[in-house]
Amino acid sequence: EVVLTQLPATLSLSPGDRATLSCRASQNINNFLAWYQQKPGQAPRLLIYDASNRATGIPARFSGSGSGTDFTLTITSLEPEDFAVYYCQQRGNWPPLSFGGGTKVEIK
Amino acid sequence: QLLESGGGLVQPGGSLRLSCAASGFLFGRYAMTWVRQAPGKGLEWVSVISGSGDSTDYADSVKGRFAISRDNSKNTVYLQMNSLRVEDTALYFCAKDRGYTSGWFSDLWGQGILVSVSS
Repeated sequence: EVVLTQLPATLSLSPGDRATLSCRASQNINNFLAWYQQKPGQAPRLLIYDASNRATGIPARFSGSGSGTDFTLTITSLEPEDFAVYYCQQRGNWPPLSFGGGTKVEIK
Repeated sequence: QLLESGGGLVQPGGSLRLSCAASGFLFGRYAMTWVRQAPGKGLEWVSVISGSGDSTDYADSVKGRFAISRDNSKNTVYLQMNSLRVEDTALYFCAKDRGYTSGWFSDLWGQGILVSVSS
């Protein structure tokens, strides 16, 4: 089973800051990684699929990169609505289509 | 849009059937997934079914107890949950996948339905 490790667990930043979130896979998953955003009381929302492709309607300030075992989600300039929990998920070696433990981006 | 129903409180060892009614897209062209989230915890992938319904997969934690199915004539996917355990307590999300076969990411999610397993 592929284990996804997300670091850091919490990121304390201010609006306008750049956010860099990491997701590391326990084995090679090529580029088969997605990023989701979840706000309190809401369903997850797909941001990035297959490592670097923005989903429909996702602003350009969100970008994804990486391949193999190391992946990054970057938010170039945090907007107030971006403070949320972010999860990565892999489909490179499944089942299961495992999720990472999440990174909470909070207001500093 | 995806709308889940069928959740509630059940005793350990009991059963529930969740339903997820879809609208606004060609339901039979997409695989469908169930994901759950225990209170205050992260996301856990539970099960997936292909667009035709011919292919299904499960997390080890639910294999042999849960069964996913779909009725494309009713635009609905189901999750039959048997032998429920306290650790199955969670918010269950239904999600549409990006592809027809299993193994795609989910690009449309329902709001979730709560399942509580307690004596």
